[in-house]
Amino acid sequence: NAGVTQTPKFQVLKTGQSMTLQCAQDMNHNSMYWYRQDPGMGLRLIYYSASEGTTDKGEVPNGYNVSRLNKREFSLRLESAAPSQTSVYFCASRSGERDSRRGAQYFGPGTRLLVL
Amino acid sequence: EDQVTQSPEALRLQEGESSSLNCSYTVSGLRGLFWYRQDPGKGPEFLFTLYSAGEEKEKERLKATLTKKESFLHITAPKPEDSATYLCAVQAGGNFNKFYFGSGTKLNVKP
Repeated sequence: NAGVTQTPKFQVLKTGQSMTLQCAQDMNHNSMYWYRQDPGMGLRLIYYSASEGTTDKGEVPNGYNVSRLNKREFSLRLESAAPSQTSVYFCASRSGERDSRRGAQYFGPGTRLLVL
Repeated sequence: EDQVTQSPEALRLQEGESSSLNCSYTVSGLRGLFWYRQDPGKGPEFLFTLYSAGEEKEKERLKATLTKKESFLHITAPKPEDSATYLCAVQAGGNFNKFYFGSGTKLNVKP
């Protein structure tokens, strides 16, 4: 099992450019998440998807859009990148409520994004 | 407002010197508290879940405990390979998909 995979690993954008971060999980989890991590701050939730076909805003959704393509894949799109979006982005999926590790999240390796 | 605070921000230990990391929280209806380990340049890795006050979980040199207001991650006789950032997160009861993370404790264990 690969767990949670993310592409790309690193990206440099100019202000105003757009890009899509890809995420896939092979653990058959219903819930998936996008977080950003900035120095000195905890992981902050951008968007989440409780199940295929549904998405909801998290703590910091402005400037982002998401798509839950199917049960495995959850993408994050920056339509017009800004320097404030320079960060490390993590995708995660979550164990089901009936799992022995109820609530545990499994994270991908991250995408490091630099917006100039 | 739901909030998670971790202390200290950084901790330097000598190999074998035991210590504890703290995670204090204010949340409406705690559903679960989670500890993760994060190595530089990698994603967080799940360690423990605690669901109710008084619960304890152990794994090798790590032991996590939970009270109604805080959790501790006790590290007994640490080794250099325990060096990492340890993150705490809480899951509120109102929305199973809302998780609040602390900013972490960076642990450095010197040989």
